[in-house]
Amino acid sequence: GQQLNQSPQSMFIQEGEDVSMNCTSSSIFNTWLWYKQDPGEGPVLLIALYKAGELTSNGRLTAQFGITRKDSFLNISASIPSDVGIYFCAGQSYNTDKLIFGTGTRLQVFP
Amino acid sequence: DSGVTQTPKHLITATGQRVTLRCSPRSGDLSVYWYQQSLDQGLQFLIQYYNGEERAKGNILERFSAQQFPDLHSELNLSSLELGDSALYFCASSSPRGVQETQYFGPGTRLLVL
Repeated sequence: GQQLNQSPQSMFIQEGEDVSMNCTSSSIFNTWLWYKQDPGEGPVLLIALYKAGELTSNGRLTAQFGITRKDSFLNISASIPSDVGIYFCAGQSYNTDKLIFGTGTRLQVFP
Repeated sequence: DSGVTQTPKHLITATGQRVTLRCSPRSGDLSVYWYQQSLDQGLQFLIQYYNGEERAKGNILERFSAQQFPDLHSELNLSSLELGDSALYFCASSSPRGVQETQYFGPGTRLLVL
């Protein structure tokens, strides 16, 4: 099935560091979403982006909808141990409700 | 807690068997989506129902089927199970917010086919 290219695949960082991950697509999307998944749990929505160029924050998280509508990035500032998990981007086209997910970024935070 | 519930949480069965996974959407949500997450494939969209009607189909095998009932809960039926069907199966629900629909995921059902 179709998946978005998400990078990096894994990150190992120290507590307090900033994190950046991105997602690219060959297709244009109308909506970009960022989810976090903890082990054994379902994805939890972090940020939703609805307009090209939009920059949205949710606490220490900031995400942007790329101008070309083919990419998005997520930044986490001052990471803490509970940020550990897998982060997924997801894109949604205008004419469909289904989400296309990225391959995921596994984040590990060391104290 | 997203408000989406899924049962059972874990399911272990044998090849060739049939199982049914159940999902209750958030109160008021009309759309239900099913996704499969396996180690090598990530999250893959299977099928969407809206108010009882099938709305969109993804990479769903012919051995799999789903339905949404009048009370809006949904069931995903997996038959003639194969080893490769072992995966996490997630249900998500949404309601229109203007032109956008944000999906909220349930905790998933972990299926192991032996």
